[in-house]
Amino acid sequence: GAVVSQHPSRVICKSGTSVKIECRSLDFQATTMFWYRQFPKQSLMLMATSNEGSKATYEQGVEKDKFLINHASLTLSTLTVTSAHPEDSSFYICSASGGGSNTEAFFGQGTRLTVV
Amino acid sequence: GQNIDQPTEMTATEGAIVQINCTYQTSGFNGLFWYQQHAGEAPTFLSYNVLDGLEEKGRFSSFLSRSKGYSYLLLKELQMKDSASYLCAVRPDTKLIFGTGTRLQVFP
Repeated sequence: GAVVSQHPSRVICKSGTSVKIECRSLDFQATTMFWYRQFPKQSLMLMATSNEGSKATYEQGVEKDKFLINHASLTLSTLTVTSAHPEDSSFYICSASGGGSNTEAFFGQGTRLTVV
Repeated sequence: GQNIDQPTEMTATEGAIVQINCTYQTSGFNGLFWYQQHAGEAPTFLSYNVLDGLEEKGRFSSFLSRSKGYSYLLLKELQMKDSASYLCAVRPDTKLIFGTGTRLQVFP
């Protein structure tokens, strides 16, 4: 299957700072990328859909000014958690799709964010 | 809204068969996926159903009934390494919405 690389795998930051997470599709062009958040012992919650060259579409209840998403190219999307707080500590996972409604989504390795 | 339900936890014995159910109510339907996820890791793809019926893949099979909004994942000849969370996900349009997830624990 296709490879999606997510970086960093773990990050610890101080409260009030911003953290950027990168998601790259290594061997295919990803017209659409998705960002999920997962709290312990819970399932993946979709945060936003990122489309190359256009603004991201955020799910209800997700603050677009806090979770900035940029999809500047067909192989890279970034999620920036701005002014992070301890309650933002979570596992963030990206997935990328090559396009089309029946295309499998490939997942990155995930980023464990801890805000202290 | 989108609603995808699974049992929270299940237990089974090594060598046995277990069936994990998933019911869904979504605004559209472009396929149903099953993923396996070990703690602290990203989900890995298991199966995809878009037409009614059973898809078999080795020890894993997945069934879909679109009219009933129902799917199940069947795991045969359970092994200890099958202890993980199993996530049902539906694609109502282009995005993938995950169910609540089922934590399966396999005992010797």
